[in-house]
Amino acid sequence: SQQGEEDPQALSIQEGENATMNCSYKTSINNLQWYRQNSGRGLVHLILIRSNEREKHSGRLRVTLDTSKKSSSLLITASRAADTASYFCATDASGTYKYIFGTGTRLKVLA
Amino acid sequence: GAVVSQHPSWVICKSGTSVKIECRSLDFQATTMFWYRQFPKQSLMLMATSNEGSKATYEQGVEKDKFLINHASLTLSTLTVTSAHPEDSSFYICSARDPGTNLGEQYFGPGTRLTVT
Repeated sequence: SQQGEEDPQALSIQEGENATMNCSYKTSINNLQWYRQNSGRGLVHLILIRSNEREKHSGRLRVTLDTSKKSSSLLITASRAADTASYFCATDASGTYKYIFGTGTRLKVLA
Repeated sequence: GAVVSQHPSWVICKSGTSVKIECRSLDFQATTMFWYRQFPKQSLMLMATSNEGSKATYEQGVEKDKFLINHASLTLSTLTVTSAHPEDSSFYICSARDPGTNLGEQYFGPGTRLTVT
């Protein structure tokens, strides 16, 4: 079974609003990564956050990690129509390089 | 950044035939590559870990005789779907780990869409 569960499964917002997606996982991890996937396309890497980090920023993206709760969140600020995509978290269990993906959040940004 | 390519990008085959998908790391040597499968509107499911020079490690529930993986060089892993059936139609994505980085980041290929008729 997949390690990560994401919520919400789907999110629809207006352009300019912020979008927050959450990811929960089950085992101890080395790293957690967030990816974006446009419909029918490949994956685009967004951010990697290590298990000893609590927050990272990249442009309009902010990722937090709470290892005590085994959860992470991805915040997209000032969303744009081009942000419409599916977003996945992926975690690698400690001691392995295997990444297991969460169920994903389908984000739709309305212009 | 590191680039991983896949070939072909899409393929249509008839039921019962075999299809080979290639995954290449273009500017680094990947001792480990991974194969994922993604059904429409679903997440990526890890199928197997491909290790250069040794047998692949398959995830539970993945038939090793149906999904043959070969990692014959440090830049190439292949996935062969044998005796393909319509239920094998899916988006297959590979990733490669660059051992030159200790961050654990993996680089994903663009994916191969397989349609079995």
